[in-house]
Amino acid sequence: NAGVMQNPRHLVRRRGQEARLRCSPMKGHSHVYWYRQLPEEGLKFMVYLQKENIIDESGMPKERFSAEFPKEGPSILRIQQVVRGDSAAYFCASSPDRANNSPLHFGNGTRLTVT
Amino acid sequence: GQNIDQPTEMTATEGAIVQINCTYQTSGFNGLFWYQQHAGEAPTFLSYNVLDGLEEKGRFSSFLSRSKGYSYLLLKELQMKDSASYLCAVRDRVQLTFGSGTQLTVLP
Repeated sequence: NAGVMQNPRHLVRRRGQEARLRCSPMKGHSHVYWYRQLPEEGLKFMVYLQKENIIDESGMPKERFSAEFPKEGPSILRIQQVVRGDSAAYFCASSPDRANNSPLHFGNGTRLTVT
Repeated sequence: GQNIDQPTEMTATEGAIVQINCTYQTSGFNGLFWYQQHAGEAPTFLSYNVLDGLEEKGRFSSFLSRSKGYSYLLLKELQMKDSASYLCAVRDRVQLTFGSGTQLTVLP
């Protein structure tokens, strides 16, 4: 059973470009979470999605960031007009349901570097 | 909102026992998770507590006191491969909020 797959592993963008990060959840999982991690810091919640719905986006910056999880295909985290402060590791996690005891299974992350 | 506190760093010796503490303040509580994260890798699930008491799983145990807003992760018979960051995370109604992690270094 393949785990959570994220691509690319590393992404380099110049200031002002767009970054698109992809996440395929574990088979059978319909709940997806995106987190951002800066060096030496913890994981910061960004957004929680279920198929075709955004459930909680309270951690997403109001501008330039968007996320989707279409009926078919991976979840996408999109960052428009990137700035140097967007450089971070972005982790995706999935779970099979919203049960409180369901742990999140994480992918290996996408490391975004903005030059 | 959520507030989760853990020590930033800890050091211990191979073969020893170490306890990593976590205190939290939350508006809602639906369980506490511990994760392990090696540098440059994905966090991996270690344990889940929702009721008071100790949960044991091999060399790792996790304790919870809901009235005190306190948990600890106990690692026994430390091995070099246990050097990693240990993340405490609390689930409220929807979100899983993480602490900043405790970087554990195991020395030979």
